[in-house]
Amino acid sequence: KAGVTQTPRYLIKTRGQQVTLSCSPISGHRSVSWYQQTPGQGLQFLFEYFSETQRNKGNFPGRFSGRQFSNSRSEMNVSTLELGDSALYLCASSPQTVTDTQYFGPGTRLTVL
Amino acid sequence: KNEVEQSPQNLTAQEGEFITINCSYSVGISALHWLQQHPGGGIVSLFMLSSGKKKHGRLIATINIQEKHSSLHITASHPRDSAVYICAVAGVLGGSNYKLTFGKGTLLTVNP
Repeated sequence: KAGVTQTPRYLIKTRGQQVTLSCSPISGHRSVSWYQQTPGQGLQFLFEYFSETQRNKGNFPGRFSGRQFSNSRSEMNVSTLELGDSALYLCASSPQTVTDTQYFGPGTRLTVL
Repeated sequence: KNEVEQSPQNLTAQEGEFITINCSYSVGISALHWLQQHPGGGIVSLFMLSSGKKKHGRLIATINIQEKHSSLHITASHPRDSAVYICAVAGVLGGSNYKLTFGKGTLLTVNP
């Protein structure tokens, strides 16, 4: 099976812009989670989607949003970018929940200038 | 206080040494994950534990639910084991609702 893919791999944006990141899970996986990784905070949970519904959300402002499509592919959107949004954004898929083994994508490196 | 505490933060070992990385958590959990991240690389899941002990090659992971503690052991360490090891717990929020909370990671360097 193909692994989790994320596009784009690298992105440079300026403050105030918005960005959309994409994640394609492993075939058959219905749970997709998104994470932000920074040197200072480490890995932090953004949200989880299952069957096109957001099942849980981390402690991030409303500028961070996401959705999941019927084929389980997921997108996350960050509006009104701030310098502090510069990070590696990772998605992970699993068959049902985050209690299953998580399969991580390579991540999207976002730089906000 | 973080919900997930890892120790040590940094660990340097000589090739062949036995390595132990610890993870303590303060919330009720349904599962605990050990993850590995090489510099500049992606994250790989090593173990998912809900009880007891698991072994894969030279890696062993244990969890004590009552004591809210897990350990990751590496036997006969090798330079290719050099990576960041991250503990993540799946906290129960109700039903099928869980949330992953991560430790800050342990940077392991194994010298030849």
